[in-house]
Amino acid sequence: NAGVTQTPKFRILKIGQSMTLQCAQDMNHNYMYWYRQDPGMGLKLIYYSVGAGITDKGEVPNGYNVSRSTTEDFPLRLELAAPSQTSVYFCASRSRGGQPQHFGDGTRLSIL
Amino acid sequence: DQQVKQNSPSLSVQEGRISILNCDYTNSMFDYFLWYKKYPAEGPTFLISISSIKDKNEDGRFTVFLNKSAKHLSLHIVPSQPGDSAVYFCAASGWETSGSRLTFGEGTQLTVNP
Repeated sequence: NAGVTQTPKFRILKIGQSMTLQCAQDMNHNYMYWYRQDPGMGLKLIYYSVGAGITDKGEVPNGYNVSRSTTEDFPLRLELAAPSQTSVYFCASRSRGGQPQHFGDGTRLSIL
Repeated sequence: DQQVKQNSPSLSVQEGRISILNCDYTNSMFDYFLWYKKYPAEGPTFLISISSIKDKNEDGRFTVFLNKSAKHLSLHIVPSQPGDSAVYFCAASGWETSGSRLTFGEGTQLTVNP
């Protein structure tokens, strides 16, 4: 059982480039989340989705976009990469029945 | 506005002893609390949780205590093992929170010495 799968694991971008971080879950979870974790900090919520076709902003949405066309996938897009977006990004999902959230292993992104 | 705080960035204990990790929160609407463990290069893994209707929840070597009046919770690990060395995050959620989002603390690095 794969759970939550994130790709790529590592990426280096140049300032101004764009990319999409992929997240897929095979648990048929309705709720999905994107977080970023900066050094010495907790996880900050970027965007979340309560089901296919529904997305909403979290604490730190600026500079990011998401879509949720299927239950399984929840990609995160960076349109114009900035050094402040250097971070580790985690995707999570949970069932409609309640907590806990299940996390992927993260994407480490560096923007130079 | 840091609604969930873990004031100790690190904790070091001897194998076999008790580890106590602490967490404070400010939002009185939080009613569900979780602890996650995180190893390097991995995602957080759910460890144990507690609802606000309880003051204690136990699962093997792990016990979480909740003091609602003090807005404080703690995670006890007894006995501590070297494999418990990881970063521990406290997280909170409220029934009224849209999408049942979690608010995380900054994490505490636990090191268990053999």
